[in-house]
Amino acid sequence: DIVMTQSPPSLSVTPGQPASISCKSSQSLLDSDGRTHLLWYLQKPGQPPQVLISEVSKRLSGVSDRISGSGSGTDFTLQISRVEAADVGVYYCMQSLQLTSGAFGGGTRVEIK
Amino acid sequence: VQLVQSGAEVKNPGASVKLSCNLSGDAFSIHFIHWVRQAPGQGLEWVGLVNHKNITAYADKLEDRVSMTRDTSTPTFHLELSSLNSDDTAVYFCAGDMIIWGQGTLVTVSS
Repeated sequence: DIVMTQSPPSLSVTPGQPASISCKSSQSLLDSDGRTHLLWYLQKPGQPPQVLISEVSKRLSGVSDRISGSGSGTDFTLQISRVEAADVGVYYCMQSLQLTSGAFGGGTRVEIK
Repeated sequence: VQLVQSGAEVKNPGASVKLSCNLSGDAFSIHFIHWVRQAPGQGLEWVGLVNHKNITAYADKLEDRVSMTRDTSTPTFHLELSSLNSDDTAVYFCAGDMIIWGQGTLVTVSS
């Protein structure tokens, strides 16, 4: 099984300040095709999740350039350069290498101070 | 592409539930329909996936109770979960290629 561990569980950030979320997987997410199967989602209250980042660092269309992903192998990070009210919600990392045995991290709740 | 899900369900323990997810637009631009659930106040849990050819993969912990199918004549996908218990109470989302999400369906299991 792949276990995804996110930290911290919650963040309280002053507007305009940066935020960083860590995600660690229990085994490498690098596939034999050279792709790393790690995504990031944001779930705002009362809404389905929305995808932000695929393959570690590929920002999806319409996602703010204040949001970036980095990492490799088993260690990954989501960074928000300047937090705004629109960034409030719960962030999840997800591995799509072996979906059947555990996909999502536990989530990180981001709130504004 | 949009995904529109069926309405809320209330079921007794031990019963089964069948949920629907209808694709509108270019349905064949979506390769896999995933199902993800979220218990009240909890995180996301991947349930399984199905494609247009009814090829499936299920979460290990649910594989003996879950079935996912696609209608033969419409771009509608189904999730059926049997032997329901209170731990199955959740919002169930369908998601196309884990990119485009439905609005979610609340399933409540209660006697």
